Parts: sequence; C-alpha cells; structure tokens
Amino acid sequence: GAGVSQSPSNKVTEKGKDVELRCDPISGHTALYWYRQRLGQGLEFLIYFQGNSAPDKSGLPSDRFSAERTGESVSTLTIQRTQQEDSAVYLCASSLGGGGRAEAFFGQGTRLTVV
Amino acid sequence: AQSVAQPEDQVNVAEGNPLTVKCTYSVSGNPYLFWYVQYPNRGLQFLLKYITGDNLVKGSYGFEAEFNKSQTSFHLKKPSALVSDSALYFCAVRDNNYGQNFVFGPGTRLSVLP
Repeated sequence: GAGVSQSPSNKVTEKGKDVELRCDPISGHTALYWYRQRLGQGLEFLIYFQGNSAPDKSGLPSDRFSAERTGESVSTLTIQRTQQEDSAVYLCASSLGGGGRAEAFFGQGTRLTVV
Repeated sequence: AQSVAQPEDQVNVAEGNPLTVKCTYSVSGNPYLFWYVQYPNRGLQFLLKYITGDNLVKGSYGFEAEFNKSQTSFHLKKPSALVSDSALYFCAVRDNNYGQNFVFGPGTRLSVLP
C-alpha cells in the first residue's frame, strides 16, 4: 500500500492476556518506529529498527513489551500479561534511512483498551 | 540527550489572524527539526522539516517554520489561520550525532475560532 498500515485498528483485551500489534511500513523504508500515545498526551518512544542493525529498545517500559521486525518489512509489537496502564494508542512509523534527514510517516494507530 | 519543549498546551487564535506555535529544543549535535499535525482519531501527518540551509522552511497547508540556532527554537507559523487548522501539533527533533530516533514534544492544541 501507499502508506503505513497498522492492524488491528482497535483491540479490547482482558487484563493479563497477551496482544500482538502489527505494522506494515512503506515499501523501501529501512527505518521503523513504535510509539505509544496515552489519551491526551504526547508520543512516548518505544523501539526503533534500522535495517539490519540491532534495534534501539531503550524506550520499552518493561520486559512485558517486545518487538520484532523481519528484514525491512512487517513488525509486530507484543505486550504480554497486559495491564490497564497499557491502554493507549500504539503508533507505528517508517522512514527512509540515510542519516536522519528523512521524515517519518505514521500509521493510523492501534487503540488498545485493557479491561 | 535530546529534548523538545512546547511551552504552550493550548493556543487560541481567531480565524484569519496569524498563528504561532512555539517549539524549543536541546541536542548535543546539529538538529534535524520536524513539525507534525494530528487530527482527532488520526495518526500524525508530516508538515515540514528543517535539515540545513535557509532558516525559513515552508511546508504543507500554508505553514512555515523558522529555525533560530541562537535561541534553539523552531516555531511554527501561518499568516492566516483557518478553522480547519484546529488540531494537535507536535514538534520533533533528531540529533545527527545520535541514533535516529525522533524525540517529540508534548504537543500544543491549536483552536482556531470562527
């Protein structure tokens, strides 16, 4: 597709369950980012992938959070044993590589609600 | 470490008047600076960026921003606001001496009143 695609768009889960969120970046974009946005707040960095380099995981809030990316394509963000504080919109973005000059393009997000 | 401040949570402006949304940043190296807009229940849309060169950059929907190195600022401006400009605006920075993560400010809610 032409843009960054995220699925599902909405997810309601019970506390303690695991969830997987998916991101399809723009074709050819080597960099992929995950952010979390709580209601009415700014963007909280989670993790960043750049090509085949080791990902920057410095933003993951706990060991319940993990993410994978296959090559330069799809990424999945997994949250294990979900808690109510995990409720937020999870945003994925991708950009061309090359020194940080390229802007990121965002998906529409996955709204996660933990009940 | 990189950081971005947007000192105003909310900016109100009358339609047709000029608008300014403020952003200041802190990086150790040279900054790459970006503005994004977020409409309700939507992802972020890119507006404009400063990489190098002319301090005044022009972007989408008539927006522009001025890079001021001495004041470490990158304020977003528009000469004549529209009601449809009402949205949440985010400033972001990347440090060319660090990894390429974007650091976002907390956002400024712009309300343009008819």
